[in-house]
Parts: sequence; structure tokens; C-alpha cells
Amino acid sequence: QKEVEQNSGPLSVPEGAIASLNCTYSDRGSQSFFWYRQYSGKSPELIMSIYSNGDKEDGRFTAQLNKASQYVSLLIRDSQPSDSATYLCVSFGNQFYFGTGTSLTVIP
Amino acid sequence: DTEVTQTPKHLVMGMTNKKSLKCEQHMGHRAMYWYKQKAKKPPELMFVYSYEKLSINESVPSRFSPECPNSSLLNLHLHALQPEDSALYLCASSQVTGGAGYNSPLHFGNGTRLTVT
Repeated sequence: QKEVEQNSGPLSVPEGAIASLNCTYSDRGSQSFFWYRQYSGKSPELIMSIYSNGDKEDGRFTAQLNKASQYVSLLIRDSQPSDSATYLCVSFGNQFYFGTGTSLTVIP
Repeated sequence: DTEVTQTPKHLVMGMTNKKSLKCEQHMGHRAMYWYKQKAKKPPELMFVYSYEKLSINESVPSRFSPECPNSSLLNLHLHALQPEDSALYLCASSQVTGGAGYNSPLHFGNGTRLTVT
């Protein structure tokens, strides 16, 4: 079992729609969770950090954390073509664990 | 603008060459990392320096050698690489918070695209 699991996609949404990206983790000791956006050939860019149960909003992005269900999600509202990228879910328990990434395409 | 700076951006080297990748962070972080990333795969941890103490991913071959001159600098020395070592090499830093399960996020540099011929 992988420490962090994501649907690899590809996920396609029309411009202006909500994109929903999901992630589950296996280490109950993990308390820190991060979403990164990575464009092809570029380095990962931090989008959101979340440490507590519930929702955390930053502009068009909302991260949701449910530690009881060991579930993390990222919602992107009003999706734009520039959001087309791979999104990496990362947890930290005693080390950083990366999911395999979800490829998102926003169709104009 | 990134606060983790990697040089060079691109590197092409032969299998008999010796080269070094360099990384510098200006964030006051006490942990620095080297990751290797192949296309369509997540980053794979190679080395961690935390408070200048080295932790190694034991699957990393000895042709890769890290060096941490101080808490802001991290080098990766390359020797006798193989074509399969061609990848994007990422340096990252993070603050070490010390709480169980808690850590600040990784901050990545722009990476070095390495091609071994």
C-alpha cells in the first residue's frame, strides 16, 4: 500500500467549472498536508498547506482535510486553462510522502 | 522569484565526466533535500540534510555524492553517471518544526535538467 494515493487522471473539466482532486493517506501519524502544482518540465509549486480538519480557502483554491477518514482534497473554482497541470498531494508524518499526482486539463 | 536557487538549469554530461549541481536557499531553513524526478513520476528522495546531518535513501547509487558546506548550501557531486540517471534534479528546503507529524512545506528550486550521454 502506498503512503499517499491519488487518482492519476487525466481529469478534464471545462473552463469555469470546479475541479475536484482527491487524495488518501495511510499514516495516521501524518499531521501536515500540502498540495503542489507542477507544470510539465517545471518544479513543483506550493498551492496550499493544511494542518487541521476542515476547509482552508485561498482565492480560487480550497483544501479540505478529514483526519478520521484520512482524506485530503483540493477544489479549484472557476477553473482556467492556466490551471492545467499535474497536482501532487504530499503528506508529512516523519518524512514527506508524495502521491503519484493527478493530471488536470481545463478545456477552454 | 524562487528563494531556493539551483545551478545550472541544464547540464549535459558524458558518462566519464565529473560535475556538480549547486543549490542555495535564503529562507533560513535547517533542512535541505535532493530529489530526482523522472517524467510523469513524483519526485523521489535522494538525500536529506537536517541540521547538517545527512540521511541517505539507500537505493541511491554511490555515483551521487551530496555535500552540505553550511546550512544554506547543498551540492550534489556526479561521477560516472549512466544514461538512466537523466532526469530533473530538484533541490528543496524546509523549516524543521520538531512537532511529531508536523512540518513546514518543501520549497523547491527551479531544478536542473540533467542529460547523460
